[in-house]
Amino acid sequence: NAGVTQTPKFRILKIGQSMTLQCAQDMNHNYMYWYRQDPGMGLKLIYYSVGAGITDKGEVPNGYNVSRSTTEDFPLRLELAAPSQTSVYFCASSYNGGGGGYTFGSGTRLTVV
Amino acid sequence: AQSVTQLGSHVSVSEGALVLLRCNYSSSVPPYLFWYVQYPNQGLQLLLKYTTGATLVKGINGFEAEFKKSETSFHLTKPSAHMSDAAEYFCAVSDGGSSYGKLTFGQGTILTVHP
Repeated sequence: NAGVTQTPKFRILKIGQSMTLQCAQDMNHNYMYWYRQDPGMGLKLIYYSVGAGITDKGEVPNGYNVSRSTTEDFPLRLELAAPSQTSVYFCASSYNGGGGGYTFGSGTRLTVV
Repeated sequence: AQSVTQLGSHVSVSEGALVLLRCNYSSSVPPYLFWYVQYPNQGLQLLLKYTTGATLVKGINGFEAEFKKSETSFHLTKPSAHMSDAAEYFCAVSDGGSSYGKLTFGQGTILTVHP
C-alpha cells in the first residue's frame, strides 16, 4: 500500500511562476485535504474535498486552486507564486471524514524566490 | 470557531522521565480530539484519538491522553521517555462528524529527550 503520495518533494519557484502539487491516494478515501505548515504555526487548511467533483475552501485558500476529478487524485495549483507561499505542503486523506484520523503524505517543501 | 492551544513550544526531558505535553481546546460542540507526531522531514502520523466513549485513550508507542471536558484539555503523557520519542507533536480538534473531518491544529510542541 502506497498510502498518500505527494510529488514533488522539493521545488524552488520564482515569483510569478505557477505549479501544481500532486497528491494521490490508493485507499479509496472520499475525503482529502491540503494543509500548509509554517514553523511555529501548526498546520492550516487550504482546501478540502468530500468526493470526486466536490471541493471547498479552508482557512487559507487565497492564491491556490484545487480540482478533484477522480477519487484518487487531488492536485493543488499555485498561480502567480509569491514569497508568502514558501511553506511545506501536506496532503492528507480520510476514510470517513470524522473520527478516523488522517493518513498524511510526506510533504512538498516549496520555496518561492 | 475552534481553537487549539499547546502550552510550551519546546519541552525537554531526560530519558526515562515522564513526558507531559499539554493541549487545551475550544469547541462549541462535542469534539473529536487527536494527537499526531512528526519526525524530521516526514509527514504526520496519528498517535491516538478520542471520539466518544472512554475518556482515557491509549495510542502507539506507549502514549496515552485523557479527555477532560470540564477542563477542555487533552494532555498527552508517556510514563518513560525514550530517545526515539524526540519529535514534534501536534494536538488537533474537529467538530465531531459535522465538519467533514476538517482539523484545527495547535502550533506544535517539539520534544527533546536527553540521555
